[in-house]
Amino acid sequence: DIVLTQSPATLSLSPGETATLSCRASQSVSSYLAWYQQKPGQAPRLLIYDTSKRATGVPARFSGSGSATAFILTISSLEPEDFAVYYCQQVISWPLTFGGGTKVEIK
Amino acid sequence: EVQLLESGGGLVQPGGSLRLSCAASGFTFSSHAMSWVRQAPGKGLEWVAAISGSSNNFFYAHSVRGRFTISRDNSKNTLYLQMDSLRVEDTAFYFCARGQLGAPPRSFDFWGQGTLVSVSS
Repeated sequence: DIVLTQSPATLSLSPGETATLSCRASQSVSSYLAWYQQKPGQAPRLLIYDTSKRATGVPARFSGSGSATAFILTISSLEPEDFAVYYCQQVISWPLTFGGGTKVEIK
Repeated sequence: EVQLLESGGGLVQPGGSLRLSCAASGFTFSSHAMSWVRQAPGKGLEWVAAISGSSNNFFYAHSVRGRFTISRDNSKNTLYLQMDSLRVEDTAFYFCARGQLGAPPRSFDFWGQGTLVSVSS
């Protein structure tokens, strides 16, 4: 199974700062990586798919990059509503797997 | 508007069974693979099972294979998860999720709000 490792576990930032979240895969997932945002008490929301494609309605301040085993989610100029937990997911092979998550909290 | 509404969660004893349902609306249900994803309280996401649009293909996480069965009824726009031989570690919120168009596996572009399954004696 492909293991996804997210870092850091927690990121403490202020509104207006840039968040850089990392996701590393135990083997190549090519470009088949997605990012989700989850707020307390809510279902996850798709932000980025295929490494860098923004899902419908996702603001341009969210961007994804990377390939093979190393991926980055960048949130430019954090808005108050961006403080949440973010998960990466590989969709290249079964079983599908998620990373452990990165919590972006207000500093 | 795409909607996914889960139901069927509840409290069950270890070794018991439960069937979850996910009613879909607002899209052509049969065109999309569907999945179940769970989240233990305060923990991360775990993919559980997936089924292709035509029910030709099924996929399961190692942790539930042989105990859980995913199915769908395209005439009723409904996804199911039959959970047998439940364990305490199956306690979680269970979400149904829609796969993006295209050959699975694909990312999940819509999610239901989840239903809580509690396994306890």
